[in-house]
Amino acid sequence: QKEVEQDPGPLSVPEGAIVSLNCTYSNSAFQYFMWYRQYSRKGPELLMYTYSSGNKEDGRFTAQVDKSSKYISLFIRDSQPSDSATYLCAMVYTGGFKTIFGAGTRLFVKA
Amino acid sequence: DGGITQSPKYLFRKEGQNVTLSCEQNLNHDAMYWYRQDPGQGLRLIYYSQIVNDFQKGDIAEGYSVSREKKESFPLTVTSAQKNPTAFYLCASSIRESNTEAFFGQGTRLTVV
Repeated sequence: QKEVEQDPGPLSVPEGAIVSLNCTYSNSAFQYFMWYRQYSRKGPELLMYTYSSGNKEDGRFTAQVDKSSKYISLFIRDSQPSDSATYLCAMVYTGGFKTIFGAGTRLFVKA
Repeated sequence: DGGITQSPKYLFRKEGQNVTLSCEQNLNHDAMYWYRQDPGQGLRLIYYSQIVNDFQKGDIAEGYSVSREKKESFPLTVTSAQKNPTAFYLCASSIRESNTEAFFGQGTRLTVV
């Protein structure tokens, strides 16, 4: 079983839709949770990170962590064609150095 | 502008050859990393370095080698011992105390011909 599971998609939505991207994980030692966005043939860029449980909002993006369920989500409101990319979740143990990445979900937002 | 520069963007290797991928950063970060990305898989850690002249193996270090002689530079050599080297290689850096925010280069696509 992988430490981090992420549905590879692809996920296709119309412009303006609310997008929900999710990851599950198996190790309760993870404390830091990140979301990266990766455009085709480019390096990933950090969207946001959260520590432990709770929500964090940044513009149209909201990250949510539910440690009791070992489940994290990224919501994108008013999705735009420019949001079309692969979204990678990532996690770090407390006091750890190594980052564990999900496989990424490909998102297509149609105009 | 600060950032990470990887070169070349595309690289072709013949069977049995060693090739070196370049990674340079001007972010003044102590920590640097090399990842490999294959379709349908997450980023897998090859090597990482927390300070100059020190580096550690990641999960898939076999067939790869690195050096860290300067803070700004962390080159990766893909040796002939790497059986399946065709992949997208990503270099990243972060401040030493926390890797919750890693900055990535634009990647090198290596193809064996």
